Amino acid sequence: DAGITQSPRHKVTETGTPVTLRCHQTENHRYMYWYRQDPGHGLRLIHYSYGVKDTDKGEVSDGYSVSRSKTEDFLLTLESATSSQTSVYFCAISDSPTTVLDYGYTFGSGTRLTVV
Amino acid sequence: KNQVEQSPQSLIILEGKNCTLQCNYTVSPFSNLRWYKQDTGRGPVSLTIMTFSENTKSNGRYTATLDADTKQSSLHITASQLSDSASYICVVSARNTDKLIFGTGTRLQVFP
Repeated sequence: DAGITQSPRHKVTETGTPVTLRCHQTENHRYMYWYRQDPGHGLRLIHYSYGVKDTDKGEVSDGYSVSRSKTEDFLLTLESATSSQTSVYFCAISDSPTTVLDYGYTFGSGTRLTVV
Repeated sequence: KNQVEQSPQSLIILEGKNCTLQCNYTVSPFSNLRWYKQDTGRGPVSLTIMTFSENTKSNGRYTATLDADTKQSSLHITASQLSDSASYICVVSARNTDKLIFGTGTRLQVFP
C-alpha cells in the first residue's frame, strides 16, 4: 500500500521468543495504529501512537509493547510470543483522530505471524 | 456495549449480478460509518465514509446507505465483477473516542 510498509510480511517463531514487527510510513502522518485480525473477530486495536514517544493501549494490549522513536516508524514487540498471538497484524496510519472525518486512514498489507 | 454486526457472513454470486451487504450497529454516540474492501492477503481499503447527516454515498459501482435512526447500513454492489471477490468490512466510529469498531466482515465470492 502506498506510503505504508510492514515488515516482515510473514514470520514463524517459537513460543517464548521475542518478536518485533515494523511499520514504516512515508506520509508524515501523526497517528499510527497496530491491529490484529483473527477469524470470527473484527480487527482489534492493540496499541496506537499519537506522536513520537506518545503511545497508548488498545483493547488487546496484554503481551505487546510498542515504541515510536521517529515519526515514520512504529514498532510492535511481542515480549514472549505465545500461540494465542498467532494472527495477522495490520498497521494503520491516519492524519487525524478517528472522531473526525478522516479520509487518510490507511492500512498496511499486514504481517502473518505464526507462533509454534 | 458498542458492536457492529454484518450479514451475511458469506455470499456467492455470479458475475454481472447485483448484491447487497448489511451492517447493524449499536455504537453510541455515533460519529461515522465506513465500508472497507479487503482482498485476500491485503489490508482493508476504504470504499465510503458517511456521517450522521448523510444517507447515501457512492464510489463507482459501490453505493452505501445509512439509516441512523435504525442504526443500519447497507453496501450495494452493482454489476459485480470477478475483482469484487473480497471481504467487506463495516466500521463504526463513536464520537469522543479514538477507536474504530470493526464488524467481522462479509466474504463475497463472484464466479464467472
